[in-house]
Amino acid sequence: DVKVTQSSRYLVKRTGEKVFLECVQDMDHENMFWYRQDPGLGLRLIYFSYDVKMKEKGDIPEGYSVSREKKERFSLILESASTNQTSMYLCASSPPSEGNEKLFFGSGTQLSVL
Amino acid sequence: GQSLEQPSEVTAVEGAIVQINCTYQTSGFYGLSWYQQHDGGAPTFLSYNGLDGLEETGRFSSFLSRSDSYGYLLLQELQMKDSASYFCALPGNQGGKLIFGQGTELSVKP
Repeated sequence: DVKVTQSSRYLVKRTGEKVFLECVQDMDHENMFWYRQDPGLGLRLIYFSYDVKMKEKGDIPEGYSVSREKKERFSLILESASTNQTSMYLCASSPPSEGNEKLFFGSGTQLSVL
Repeated sequence: GQSLEQPSEVTAVEGAIVQINCTYQTSGFYGLSWYQQHDGGAPTFLSYNGLDGLEETGRFSSFLSRSDSYGYLLLQELQMKDSASYFCALPGNQGGKLIFGQGTELSVKP
């Protein structure tokens, strides 16, 4: 079974802190994604990556950056956390696009910024 | 751009059949997917429709009409464990990327 592991289930940070959210997948998937989930808004794509060192902006990249130095690891960085970044963050991975994309999600990190 | 619309809440009783609708707008079509998410859990893939028609997987079926930009998820013989949020999703024009609807919260009552 594909496993996508996010480093923390719950995280509490202060406004202005630099925050790192880590995600590791064990299926050698090329594609990796970061979404945030907020009540009533569904899942919104922040950034995604097709390969090592490659990144593409999603729909809401402002205030975030990402890093993919190794194929299995995709990190989301909040350079200066703000209260409006309090959210559930979901990492996902998928094999190369075949037109029937099936994403495998991690269990999520609930981030609270105080 | 791309967007999806689905009802925010649906309630049904155990043993019944429920249909969750999804309408979408997209410039290029690559299929419609459905995901299930239990409270506090990760979204999990349920089904994918690349062509018009019905796809059946056990108690769950998904339907697509590309001419109507419309799909639905059909859940039969509802069980309490089916209480969850259900999301429809569009693959983006950049392969691998998914755009999700806002989700439908299904409550199954005894």
